[in-house]
Amino acid sequence: DTEVTQTPKHLVMGMTNKKSLKCEQHMGHRAMYWYKQKAKKPPELMFVYSYEKLSINESVPSRFSPECPNSSLLNLHLHALQPEDSALYLCASSQARSGATGELFFGEGSRLTVL
Amino acid sequence: GENVEQHPSTLSVQEGDSAVIKCTYSDSASNYFPWYKQELGKRPQLIIDIRSNVGEKKDQRIAVTLNKTAKHFSLHITETQPEDSAVYFCAASPGDKLSFGAGTTVTVRA
Repeated sequence: DTEVTQTPKHLVMGMTNKKSLKCEQHMGHRAMYWYKQKAKKPPELMFVYSYEKLSINESVPSRFSPECPNSSLLNLHLHALQPEDSALYLCASSQARSGATGELFFGEGSRLTVL
Repeated sequence: GENVEQHPSTLSVQEGDSAVIKCTYSDSASNYFPWYKQELGKRPQLIIDIRSNVGEKKDQRIAVTLNKTAKHFSLHITETQPEDSAVYFCAASPGDKLSFGAGTTVTVRA
């Protein structure tokens, strides 16, 4: 299984809502990532988990809260988002500790719209 | 941090012709250079990568060249086909995290 699975595929939420994005992989990868991608832009790194510990937080606002319950799962909890947070949120995993020296396997993404 | 510049931003080629995308990087410590392809509405996928100890790598119709002295690397696609139409991102890493270029939208005209 070389898939990274993300749910939901689409999410519409109001600025006062609380929602979560979920990501799952069964490749035995020990590094998992959240990226944010705006239209026609490259993926922008948000968080990196290595061996289930948060290793990189790219100064992301606290309204985004990551969680890694186990080595296969990664969540992104969303609260009090702004319309400018509307984007495609991509989860990725890699075999390498940081993924900076090996292939990143991306999920199909969760397209988030904040009203 | 690492800064990657990518050119051109858009590229239109006739089917069967070659396409070349160029990237420059700023951090001389960067040693890993992958290329990702993202088709419309799809996930980015690695198509080829190169490490700093080699100067060129080929995989069928795609090749990547690296010039460490000049700090630039390029993607070459030969005999382009309609399925090569996509956005291509170069990236560079000194080992801690990946920095992406801005992307090149490639359109292959039939």
